[in-house]
Amino acid sequence: QVQLQQSGPGLVKPSETLSLTCTVSGDSVTSPTSYWSWIRQPPGSTLEWIGFIYYSGSTNHNRSLKSQVTMSVDASKNQFSLKVNSVTSADTAVYYCARGTNAAGPFDSWGQGILVTVSS
Amino acid sequence: DIQITQSPSAVSASVGDRVTITCRASHGISNYVAWFQQKPGKVPERLIYAASSLQTGVPSRFSGSGSGTEFTLTISSLQPEDFATYYCLQHSGYPWTFGQGTKVGIK
Repeated sequence: QVQLQQSGPGLVKPSETLSLTCTVSGDSVTSPTSYWSWIRQPPGSTLEWIGFIYYSGSTNHNRSLKSQVTMSVDASKNQFSLKVNSVTSADTAVYYCARGTNAAGPFDSWGQGILVTVSS
Repeated sequence: DIQITQSPSAVSASVGDRVTITCRASHGISNYVAWFQQKPGKVPERLIYAASSLQTGVPSRFSGSGSGTEFTLTISSLQPEDFATYYCLQHSGYPWTFGQGTKVGIK
């Protein structure tokens, strides 16, 4: 059974960088048929896809976040990470990591979510 | 970008009722649709993938159908644990987009 455990701060100051990590168990981040995703949900709103990354380095992310987003994979720790730079209050949201597979599509397993508040 | 219109935004229903939720896409998206259930304060859970495939462990009262631009999620006989918000996701074109959600409440 795949499990994803998220870690990272719950409070980030405006203009700083939001950094989150997702540690995977039950699958390998090096699997060529799995991809590793980030989704966020502002309070009271729907879900917003941020992007995904394969271990190969292939990525795709939501253009609405422009160049704010960086995703990476660390095979040695079986983790993947998200950085969102120059955050504003609009980036306040619950952030989720999730797995997708080529065979069965996106988001079959999710992390527990972290509420990240952008405030000074 | 592919626009997703999910309806209704809310529905009130009783235990045992049949509930249908619809998502319409602005362009044809084949069967690249998934459905999720989210209870308050909880993590979303996938119910359906590839428009009509039931996620392992999900009760058979949930079903999905559709192809192209119109998709439906049906709960054949609503149970107390099904009161939640439901979201569709299109993953045919970038950016992937979720519907606005349908809140299923108690009548």
